[in-house]
Amino acid sequence: EVQLVESGGGLVKPGGSLRLSCAASGFTLSSYSMHWVRQAPGKGLEWVSSISSSSSYIYYTDSVKGRFTISRDNAKNSLYLQMNSLTAEDTAMYYCARDEEMAAMSHFDYWGQGTLVTVSS
Amino acid sequence: DIQMTQSPSSLSASVGDRVTITCRASQSISTYLNWYQQKPGKAPKLLIYAASSLQSGVPSRFSGSGSGTDFTLTISSLQPEDFATYFCQQSYSAWTFGQGTKVEIK
Repeated sequence: EVQLVESGGGLVKPGGSLRLSCAASGFTLSSYSMHWVRQAPGKGLEWVSSISSSSSYIYYTDSVKGRFTISRDNAKNSLYLQMNSLTAEDTAMYYCARDEEMAAMSHFDYWGQGTLVTVSS
Repeated sequence: DIQMTQSPSSLSASVGDRVTITCRASQSISTYLNWYQQKPGKAPKLLIYAASSLQSGVPSRFSGSGSGTDFTLTISSLQPEDFATYFCQQSYSAWTFGQGTKVEIK
């Protein structure tokens, strides 16, 4: 059974840092691109960052460029998101998601349950 | 950046109704369009990918159509478990979600 389990969220002060983790099981992580998607309270979904299977291609949404760093350790079946210089606008539930990418058509077929990040003084 | 606009933002419907949700892209995205369902407190669930392909395990009452800039998600006969929020997503250039359509009970 495919499972994605996020951890590392919590309450942090503005300007602080957090490192999110996503533990993958039930599939071969090294075969898939992975993403982070966030959802502010009561709001819609926002794609944050993606990383290809071998970490060769990494992308970020403009609002987090220079502050967030995505990485992965396929040997440990884990995905990470290092978040620095956090602001109140980063407050959200953060989901990791797997990209099935069949026939070059990218789509997120499995999602974790999310980890909540709250940025507040 | 490609913007995705869904309509309506919310709708009220009854069990058994046919429901259609529209998603429009700010530029042509071919069929690089996915649909997700999200229930309160839960992660999104993939329903449709590549505009019209039904994800494994998703009931056949869900269908998707469209190409270019205009897409639709149709629920042929609304069931109680379908009351949720639906999001479209483009994957043509990076990834962008629509703002969501909340389907409520009439």
